[in-house]
Amino acid sequence: KQEVTQIPAALSVPEGENLVLNCSFTDSAIYNLQWFRQDPGKGLTSLLLIQSSQREQTSGRLNASLDKSSGRSTLYIAASQPGDSATYLCAVTGGGNKLTFGTGTQLKVEL
Amino acid sequence: DTAVSQTPKYLVTQMGNDKSIKCEQNLGHDTMYWYKQDSKKFLKIMFSYNNKELIINETVPNRFSPKSPDKAHLNLHINSLELGDSAVYFCASSLAGANIQYFGAGTRLSVL
Repeated sequence: KQEVTQIPAALSVPEGENLVLNCSFTDSAIYNLQWFRQDPGKGLTSLLLIQSSQREQTSGRLNASLDKSSGRSTLYIAASQPGDSATYLCAVTGGGNKLTFGTGTQLKVEL
Repeated sequence: DTAVSQTPKYLVTQMGNDKSIKCEQNLGHDTMYWYKQDSKKFLKIMFSYNNKELIINETVPNRFSPKSPDKAHLNLHINSLELGDSAVYFCASSLAGANIQYFGAGTRLSVL
Protein backbone atom coordinates (compact mmCIF):
# COMPACT_ATOMS: atom_id res chain seq x y z
CA LYS A 1 0.00 0.00 0.00
CA GLN A 2 1.43 3.36 -1.05
CA GLU A 3 2.07 5.88 1.69
CA VAL A 4 3.15 9.45 1.06
CA THR A 5 4.64 11.64 3.75
CA GLN A 6 5.53 15.32 3.67
CA ILE A 7 7.95 17.17 5.87
CA PRO A 8 7.64 19.66 7.45
CA ALA A 9 3.94 19.76 8.27
CA ALA A 10 4.11 23.54 8.60
CA LEU A 11 6.66 26.16 7.68
CA SER A 12 6.87 29.90 8.25
CA VAL A 13 9.51 31.97 6.45
CA PRO A 14 10.18 35.65 5.81
CA GLU A 15 9.58 36.99 2.34
CA GLY A 16 12.44 36.50 -0.08
CA GLU A 17 13.77 33.27 1.37
CA ASN A 18 14.40 30.19 -0.72
CA LEU A 19 12.78 27.09 0.72
CA VAL A 20 12.48 23.35 0.19
CA LEU A 21 9.49 21.12 0.81
CA ASN A 22 10.02 17.39 1.09
CA CYS A 23 7.91 14.43 0.00
CA SER A 24 8.63 10.73 0.42
CA PHE A 25 6.73 7.69 -0.81
CA THR A 26 7.01 4.02 0.07
CA ASP A 27 6.33 2.31 -3.28
CA SER A 28 8.60 3.36 -6.14
CA ALA A 29 6.29 1.81 -8.78
CA ILE A 30 4.76 5.12 -9.80
CA TYR A 31 3.88 6.68 -13.14
CA ASN A 32 4.49 10.24 -12.05
CA LEU A 33 4.54 12.62 -9.11
CA GLN A 34 2.62 15.86 -8.91
CA TRP A 35 2.88 18.89 -6.67
CA PHE A 36 -0.35 20.74 -5.94
CA ARG A 37 -1.22 23.94 -4.19
CA GLN A 38 -4.38 24.33 -2.10
CA ASP A 39 -5.62 27.72 -0.92
CA PRO A 40 -8.09 27.90 2.00
CA GLY A 41 -11.63 27.09 0.84
CA LYS A 42 -10.43 26.43 -2.69
CA GLY A 43 -9.69 23.43 -4.85
CA LEU A 44 -6.30 22.09 -5.81
CA THR A 45 -4.11 23.60 -8.49
CA SER A 46 -1.51 21.42 -10.16
CA LEU A 47 1.90 23.13 -10.07
CA LEU A 48 4.28 20.59 -11.57
CA LEU A 49 4.12 17.04 -12.85
CA ILE A 50 7.26 14.90 -13.08
CA GLN A 51 7.07 11.70 -15.08
CA SER A 52 8.73 8.66 -13.51
CA SER A 53 11.49 8.81 -16.13
CA GLN A 54 12.32 12.44 -15.36
CA ARG A 55 14.55 13.90 -12.66
CA GLU A 56 13.14 17.39 -12.40
CA GLN A 57 10.68 19.95 -13.71
CA THR A 58 10.75 23.73 -13.51
CA SER A 59 8.05 26.36 -13.70
CA GLY A 60 8.99 29.94 -12.91
CA ARG A 61 10.27 30.11 -9.34
CA LEU A 62 9.36 26.46 -8.70
CA ASN A 63 11.61 23.50 -9.25
CA ALA A 64 10.61 19.94 -8.40
CA SER A 65 12.97 16.99 -8.33
CA LEU A 66 12.27 13.28 -8.26
CA ASP A 67 14.46 10.43 -7.08
CA LYS A 68 12.21 7.48 -7.78
CA SER A 69 14.55 4.79 -6.52
CA SER A 70 14.83 6.37 -3.08
CA GLY A 71 11.17 7.41 -3.02
CA ARG A 72 11.79 11.13 -2.61
CA SER A 73 10.81 14.40 -4.17
CA THR A 74 11.52 18.00 -3.27
CA LEU A 75 9.80 21.22 -4.24
CA TYR A 76 12.12 24.20 -4.27
CA ILE A 77 10.55 27.66 -4.13
CA ALA A 78 12.90 30.54 -4.92
CA ALA A 79 12.49 34.06 -3.56
CA SER A 80 9.29 33.29 -1.68
CA GLN A 81 6.43 35.81 -1.68
CA PRO A 82 3.40 36.27 0.60
CA GLY A 83 1.25 35.06 -2.30
CA ASP A 84 2.98 31.68 -2.05
CA SER A 85 1.27 31.09 1.30
CA ALA A 86 -0.87 27.96 0.90
CA THR A 87 -0.85 24.25 1.60
CA TYR A 88 1.38 22.26 -0.74
CA LEU A 89 0.50 18.66 -1.48
CA CYS A 90 2.47 16.05 -3.32
CA ALA A 91 0.76 13.08 -4.89
CA VAL A 92 2.01 9.98 -6.71
CA THR A 93 0.13 8.25 -9.49
CA GLY A 94 -0.09 4.48 -9.31
CA GLY A 95 -2.09 1.84 -11.17
CA GLY A 96 -5.51 2.88 -12.52
CA ASN A 97 -4.40 6.51 -12.49
CA LYS A 98 -4.94 6.48 -8.75
CA LEU A 99 -3.48 9.49 -6.96
CA THR A 100 -2.19 8.97 -3.44
CA PHE A 101 -1.74 12.24 -1.62
CA GLY A 102 0.73 13.25 1.02
CA THR A 103 -0.16 14.85 4.31
CA GLY A 104 0.64 18.38 3.08
CA THR A 105 2.92 21.23 4.13
CA GLN A 106 1.25 24.43 5.26
CA LEU A 107 3.46 27.32 4.15
CA LYS A 108 3.25 30.87 5.42
CA VAL A 109 5.43 33.57 3.90
CA GLU A 110 5.53 36.66 6.06
CA LEU A 111 6.22 40.25 5.08
CA ASP B 1 -15.61 29.68 -17.46
CA THR B 2 -14.98 27.06 -14.79
CA ALA B 3 -13.32 23.87 -15.99
CA VAL B 4 -14.53 21.53 -13.22
CA SER B 5 -17.60 22.75 -11.37
CA GLN B 6 -19.27 21.24 -8.35
CA THR B 7 -22.62 22.07 -6.82
CA PRO B 8 -23.45 22.89 -4.17
CA LYS B 9 -20.43 24.55 -2.62
CA TYR B 10 -21.82 24.12 0.88
CA LEU B 11 -24.27 21.50 2.13
CA VAL B 12 -25.61 21.35 5.67
CA THR B 13 -27.99 18.53 6.50
CA GLN B 14 -29.29 16.30 9.27
CA MET B 15 -28.16 12.77 10.03
CA GLY B 16 -30.12 10.16 8.14
CA ASN B 17 -30.89 12.35 5.13
CA ASP B 18 -29.99 11.52 1.52
CA LYS B 19 -28.09 14.11 -0.51
CA SER B 20 -26.38 14.47 -3.88
CA ILE B 21 -23.39 16.45 -5.09
CA LYS B 22 -23.06 17.21 -8.78
CA CYS B 23 -19.89 17.56 -10.83
CA GLU B 24 -19.42 18.66 -14.41
CA GLN B 25 -16.30 19.23 -16.48
CA ASN B 26 -15.98 21.07 -19.78
CA LEU B 27 -12.40 20.03 -20.54
CA GLY B 28 -13.26 17.14 -22.83
CA HIS B 29 -11.74 14.66 -20.35
CA ASP B 30 -12.83 11.05 -20.27
CA THR B 31 -11.98 10.25 -16.65
CA MET B 32 -13.52 11.73 -13.51
CA TYR B 33 -12.86 11.23 -9.81
CA TRP B 34 -14.28 11.86 -6.36
CA TYR B 35 -11.97 12.57 -3.41
CA LYS B 36 -12.72 13.11 0.27
CA GLN B 37 -10.71 15.52 2.43
CA ASP B 38 -11.24 14.89 6.11
CA SER B 39 -10.92 17.24 9.07
CA LYS B 40 -7.17 16.63 9.19
CA LYS B 41 -6.93 17.81 5.56
CA PHE B 42 -5.98 14.35 4.31
CA LEU B 43 -7.15 13.76 0.73
CA LYS B 44 -8.15 10.29 -0.32
CA ILE B 45 -9.63 8.95 -3.52
CA MET B 46 -13.09 7.42 -3.39
CA PHE B 47 -14.05 6.62 -6.98
CA SER B 48 -12.97 7.10 -10.55
CA TYR B 49 -14.89 6.64 -13.77
CA ASN B 50 -13.58 6.34 -17.31
CA ASN B 51 -16.12 6.84 -20.09
CA LYS B 52 -18.95 6.25 -17.64
CA GLU B 53 -17.43 3.00 -16.32
CA LEU B 54 -16.24 2.51 -12.76
CA ILE B 55 -12.45 2.10 -12.60
CA ILE B 56 -11.51 2.73 -8.97
CA ASN B 57 -13.72 1.98 -6.00
CA GLU B 58 -11.87 2.38 -2.74
CA THR B 59 -13.16 1.06 0.54
CA VAL B 60 -16.15 3.34 0.71
CA PRO B 61 -19.46 2.48 2.43
CA ASN B 62 -22.11 1.44 -0.06
CA ARG B 63 -24.18 4.38 1.14
CA PHE B 64 -22.05 6.30 -1.37
CA SER B 65 -23.12 5.74 -4.95
CA PRO B 66 -21.50 7.56 -7.85
CA LYS B 67 -23.41 7.99 -11.08
CA SER B 68 -21.99 9.04 -14.43
CA PRO B 69 -24.73 9.83 -16.98
CA ASP B 70 -22.07 10.83 -19.51
CA LYS B 71 -18.34 11.36 -19.48
CA ALA B 72 -18.70 15.06 -18.62
CA HIS B 73 -20.64 14.41 -15.43
CA LEU B 74 -20.00 12.41 -12.27
CA ASN B 75 -22.50 12.84 -9.46
CA LEU B 76 -22.18 11.52 -5.93
CA HIS B 77 -25.24 10.38 -4.04
CA ILE B 78 -25.02 9.67 -0.33
CA ASN B 79 -27.74 7.78 1.55
CA SER B 80 -28.43 7.82 5.29
CA LEU B 81 -25.85 10.48 6.07
CA GLU B 82 -23.75 10.04 9.20
CA LEU B 83 -21.76 12.49 11.29
CA GLY B 84 -18.51 10.97 9.99
CA ASP B 85 -19.44 11.89 6.43
CA SER B 86 -18.73 15.54 7.23
CA ALA B 87 -15.81 16.52 5.02
CA VAL B 88 -14.92 18.41 1.87
CA TYR B 89 -15.59 16.40 -1.27
CA PHE B 90 -13.58 17.19 -4.38
CA CYS B 91 -14.35 16.23 -7.94
CA ALA B 92 -11.55 16.03 -10.51
CA SER B 93 -11.10 15.09 -14.14
CA SER B 94 -8.30 14.11 -16.49
CA LEU B 95 -7.55 12.37 -19.73
CA ALA B 96 -7.11 8.63 -19.33
CA GLY B 97 -3.65 7.54 -18.25
CA ALA B 98 -1.35 9.16 -15.74
CA ASN B 99 -2.19 12.74 -16.64
CA ILE B 100 -2.71 15.92 -14.67
CA GLN B 101 -5.97 15.93 -12.78
CA TYR B 102 -7.96 19.17 -12.60
CA PHE B 103 -9.92 19.74 -9.43
CA GLY B 104 -13.17 21.46 -8.63
CA ALA B 105 -13.45 23.94 -5.77
CA GLY B 106 -14.92 21.35 -3.42
CA THR B 107 -18.22 20.81 -1.61
CA ARG B 108 -18.15 21.26 2.14
CA LEU B 109 -20.62 18.81 3.66
CA SER B 110 -21.66 19.24 7.29
CA VAL B 111 -23.85 16.57 8.85
CA LEU B 112 -25.55 17.67 12.08
